[in-house]
Amino acid sequence: AQSVTQLGSHVSVSEGALVLLRCNYSSSVPPYLFWYVQYPNQGLQLLLKYTTGATLVKGINGFEAEFKKSETSFHLTKPSAHMSDAAEYFCAVSVRLFGNEKLTFGTGTRLTIIP
Amino acid sequence: DTAVSQTPKYLVTQMGNDKSIKCEQNLGHDTMYWYKQDSKKFLKIMFSYNNKELIINETVPNRFSPKSPDKAHLNLHINSLELGDSAVYFCASSQDTLAIYNEQFFGPGTRLTVL
Repeated sequence: AQSVTQLGSHVSVSEGALVLLRCNYSSSVPPYLFWYVQYPNQGLQLLLKYTTGATLVKGINGFEAEFKKSETSFHLTKPSAHMSDAAEYFCAVSVRLFGNEKLTFGTGTRLTIIP
Repeated sequence: DTAVSQTPKYLVTQMGNDKSIKCEQNLGHDTMYWYKQDSKKFLKIMFSYNNKELIINETVPNRFSPKSPDKAHLNLHINSLELGDSAVYFCASSQDTLAIYNEQFFGPGTRLTVL
């Protein structure tokens, strides 16, 4: 079975500082990995995804993530945090189910930005 | 113009009642989903429909019954509501069933509170 583990349910960083949100995956086959963001009282929005090819993936709002097979990781980073980045972030892995795929989400990391 | 809309946004009801949540997408997508997000923000898929056909049915009590009258609509009916059903329910849609190729677009959520 495929799964993702997000390390740290809460992360706080100062405005302008590096953002690092950790995600490790478990998969017996090459995984497809995603990061979603959920702003307060809203639905989820796709930040970026890794399927195949380049292991460094760039997404919206200046975020990027690197797929590291040797470390089974897909950590999300942003060089300089902005107040508007405060949100809940979810890592997800695509799981094939009888020919149809479904997303399995991690438990989320709440990012707080300190002014 | 809202891509994925849900009604109602808030639903407060008594145990034992029956209620419905409606979802509509105007993206022309073939696949729609229902997710449940609990109080700890854990997000889990419940159902998925492709072209009005049920393709994913997770381990969900049979009190929950999805209905898709057409590709643009996926409603969720819940019978005999229980306290544990209190959660935020998200509807989502994607072009088709392959998660690796298709971004899932989420609605704003329906916060259900069972008293």
